[in-house]
Amino acid sequence: NAGVTQTPKFQVLKTGQSMTLQCAQDMNHEYMSWYRQDPGMGLRLIHYSVGAGITDQGEVPNGYNVSRSTTEDFPLRLLSAAPSQTSVYFCASSSTYDTQYFGPGTRLTVL
Amino acid sequence: KQEVTQIPAALSVPEGENLVLNCSFTDSAIYNLQWFRQDPGKGLTSLLLIQSSQREQTSGRLNASLDKSSGRSTLYIAASQPGDSATYLCAVKNNAGNMLTFGGGTRLMVKP
Repeated sequence: NAGVTQTPKFQVLKTGQSMTLQCAQDMNHEYMSWYRQDPGMGLRLIHYSVGAGITDQGEVPNGYNVSRSTTEDFPLRLLSAAPSQTSVYFCASSSTYDTQYFGPGTRLTVL
Repeated sequence: KQEVTQIPAALSVPEGENLVLNCSFTDSAIYNLQWFRQDPGKGLTSLLLIQSSQREQTSGRLNASLDKSSGRSTLYIAASQPGDSATYLCAVKNNAGNMLTFGGGTRLMVKP
């Protein structure tokens, strides 16, 4: 199993640009989530999904969209990038109340 | 709102020492608590998961305990090694939802 994979590893955007961070898992997990990690703020939940077709907001959802059309994929879309979205983004998956597995992260810089 | 605190924020110890990392949480209505390790520039690796009905979990030189009523968990690392140097994070999952709430982490350095 590849586990949780994320692409790209690094990305630089200009303010106002849009992009999609990809996340995929091959463990047939129902639960997937996106976190951002910032110095001094720790990891904060952006959006999560409890199954295909079901998504919900986390602690810091503004400026981000998600969809879950398949069990395997959970992309995160930045609609109009802002410097405040400079961060490291982690995708995670789990069976609903079990161990969470994290991807390697995407380091995003917005200029 | 659940808040998770980890003390100390940073710790430096000589190799071979036994050490304890602390995690406290404000809302005792948790479903489980998980300890993670994060190496610089990397993702999170799960170390131990303790369900709310359990008191402790062990894996090799690691032992995690949970006292739900007092809102505390500890991660005990025996005979520390330089390879244990990393940031250790605890996270709780509340009964009320699927959200994981993370502590700020303890940055551990084990000196040879």
